[in-house]
Amino acid sequence: EAQVTQNPRYLITVTGKKLTVTCSQNMNHEYMSWYRQDPGLGLRQIYYSMNVEVTDKGDVPEGYKVSRKEKRNFPLILESPSPNQTSLYFCASSSHLSSGGDHRTQYFGPGTRLTVL
Amino acid sequence: KNQVEQSPQSLIILEGKNCTLQCNYTVSPFSNLRWYKQDTGRGPVSLTIMTFSENTKSNGRYTATLDADTKQSSLHITASQLSDSASYICVVSAAASGGSYIPTFGRGTSLIVHP
Repeated sequence: EAQVTQNPRYLITVTGKKLTVTCSQNMNHEYMSWYRQDPGLGLRQIYYSMNVEVTDKGDVPEGYKVSRKEKRNFPLILESPSPNQTSLYFCASSSHLSSGGDHRTQYFGPGTRLTVL
Repeated sequence: KNQVEQSPQSLIILEGKNCTLQCNYTVSPFSNLRWYKQDTGRGPVSLTIMTFSENTKSNGRYTATLDADTKQSSLHITASQLSDSASYICVVSAAASGGSYIPTFGRGTSLIVHP
């Protein structure tokens, strides 16, 4: 089954304690990205990656890091979380290749609800 | 600055009725426009995607239209069902280098369908 998985799904942590949210996709997609969703603001892009070892900042990258060492994985790292990073996080992937079909659709993971105390 | 505006912000309709959601955008250079459905607490799910040359796309009871000249899109839902209650998000992407794209998200329209 084609899917994007995220772990953990829920996390409560304290200010300053480093954490990593994992994201994995099994569709061999080149493009992966991270979003945060806050009430009244909609989805905002944090970072994206066009392929392995290629990452770039989105609209709200401050306080976050990413890496893309493998095509299927795109972890989101919070080196020193702060309460303003309390949010619902989504990972998504898509293909750029013109191989036919719905190749430009972004497939979203189930979300990770993070609370930073 | 690229922007996507959706209206109305929220909408309540009775089961079986039709409704239309609007999306206006200022995104350049235009690559594609997508409509997503997001159930509460879950990830968005794609409904339709349209490029510049496409002015309508259907997915079951969902029909999206695109007017690239006026930079407007609409999502029409026919014969609404209780399961249509969700947030509907319009996403317009700008073309970027290497065949990639940079999405701009609307804030969504919250639809509630009452029995």
